[in-house]
Amino acid sequence: SQKIEQNSEALNIQEGKTATLTCNYTNYSPAYLQWYRQDPGRGPVFLLLIRENEKEKRKERLKVTFDTTLKQSLFHITASQPADSATYLCALDMWEGSQGNLIFGKGTKLSVKP
Amino acid sequence: DVKVTQSSRYLVKRTGEKVFLECVQDMDHENMFWYRQDPGLGLRLIYFSYDVKMKEKGDIPEGYSVSREKKERFSLILESASTNQTSMYLCASSLEINQPQHFGDGTRLSIL
Repeated sequence: SQKIEQNSEALNIQEGKTATLTCNYTNYSPAYLQWYRQDPGRGPVFLLLIRENEKEKRKERLKVTFDTTLKQSLFHITASQPADSATYLCALDMWEGSQGNLIFGKGTKLSVKP
Repeated sequence: DVKVTQSSRYLVKRTGEKVFLECVQDMDHENMFWYRQDPGLGLRLIYFSYDVKMKEKGDIPEGYSVSREKKERFSLILESASTNQTSMYLCASSLEINQPQHFGDGTRLSIL
C-alpha cells in the first residue's frame, strides 16, 4: 500500500534560517503533491501545489521541489520567523484505495525560535 | 475566499448516542470530505461526496454514515457513538477531486 513519510515529527530552527521539510512516498507516482499548514486547534490551510512535471514552485518565502525519481518533495521556508511555527503536512493524490483523493502525511511540527 | 463552517468546535456525548456533525461550505464546491485526526495517525478519510446525494467510503468508514441532501451541506453521523470515536473531526471541500482542499476548523468530539 502507499506510504507517505515526513522526515521528522519535529524540527527546531533559529529565526532567520531556512527550514527544510521532507516528504517521501513509496509505491506510487502521484500527479500532484500539496503542502498544508496547520496551527493548533485549527484545520489545515493549503499552501502550495506542485505537479509531477514541475521541478520547483515558489510563493513568497516558500519553495517546494518535487523529484519523481527520488519520490521526494522538499519544502523550504527561507528567512524563517517565529510566526512560521506550525505543523506542515504534505498530501498526495492517490487513485488506489481512496479513489483519487488526497492521502496526508502525519506532519512535521516546525518551531522557529527567536 | 472559501469558507467551510463546522457547527460545533467542541462536543461531548455519551456512549451509544447518535451524533450528528454538520459542515457547510459557501463556494459551490462539488466535493466534500470528512476526516478524523488523531495524534500519531494523521488525517484519515472517513467518507467523501462528489455530488448531491452521492457518497463514497474512505479509508475508515466503519461506525459512520453521511448525508448530503444539498450541495453546500455534508453531515457526518455516528450511529452509536463509542469511546474510540473520540477525536478531532475535520470537514473539507474542493472544486476538483484532487485539487486543494479547504478545511473547517474542526470539531473536537469526546465520547464518554
